[in-house]
Amino acid sequence: NAGVTQTPKFQVLKTGQSMTLQCAQDMNHNSMYWYRQDPGMGLRLIYYSASEGTTDKGEVPNGYNVSRLNKREFSLRLESAAPSQTSVYFCASRVLNTEAFFGQGTRLTVV
Amino acid sequence: QKEVEQDPGPLSVPEGAIVSLNCTYSNSAFQYFMWYRQYSRKGPELLMYTYSSGNKEDGRFTAQVDKSSKYISLFIRDSQPSDSATYLCAAGETSGSRLTFGEGTQLTVNP
Repeated sequence: NAGVTQTPKFQVLKTGQSMTLQCAQDMNHNSMYWYRQDPGMGLRLIYYSASEGTTDKGEVPNGYNVSRLNKREFSLRLESAAPSQTSVYFCASRVLNTEAFFGQGTRLTVV
Repeated sequence: QKEVEQDPGPLSVPEGAIVSLNCTYSNSAFQYFMWYRQYSRKGPELLMYTYSSGNKEDGRFTAQVDKSSKYISLFIRDSQPSDSATYLCAAGETSGSRLTFGEGTQLTVNP
């Protein structure tokens, strides 16, 4: 049972490049989330998807787009990467009113 | 104002000490509360889940929620070096999909 799988684990981008972070869960959860984690800032919600076919902005959505491809997959896209987007990105999934399960993270550096 | 506030520490204690970690929150609609543990370079993992007010105990760990004062606590008894990690509190509403996290407290237990 893989849980929540994120790819890639590490990535270095140049300013202005684009990339997509992939996330897949095999727990049949309805809700999926993208967080970023920065020193001294904790986990901040970027976007979430309460159910297949819906997406909503979180606390820090600027510079990101998301796609809920199907119930299993939720991707995060950076259209034009900026150094301020250097962070560790976590995907999570859950059933409403229960705990969230996290992936192992993607370490992104934008130079 | 952040909806969930947590002292980031760092907190350093000797092995065997009782550790108290705390969060406050401002959203009265929060009904369930969680504590996550995050080891370095790993994703957060659920430690404790509580619904509404009260205490919950699991081995050396006790979670307390006081909704009247909007205060969340995690106590670790007989702390071990393996407890060294970042501890994150989180809260959610029953009618909503979002989970809001505190900043995280970095704990070191010294042998």
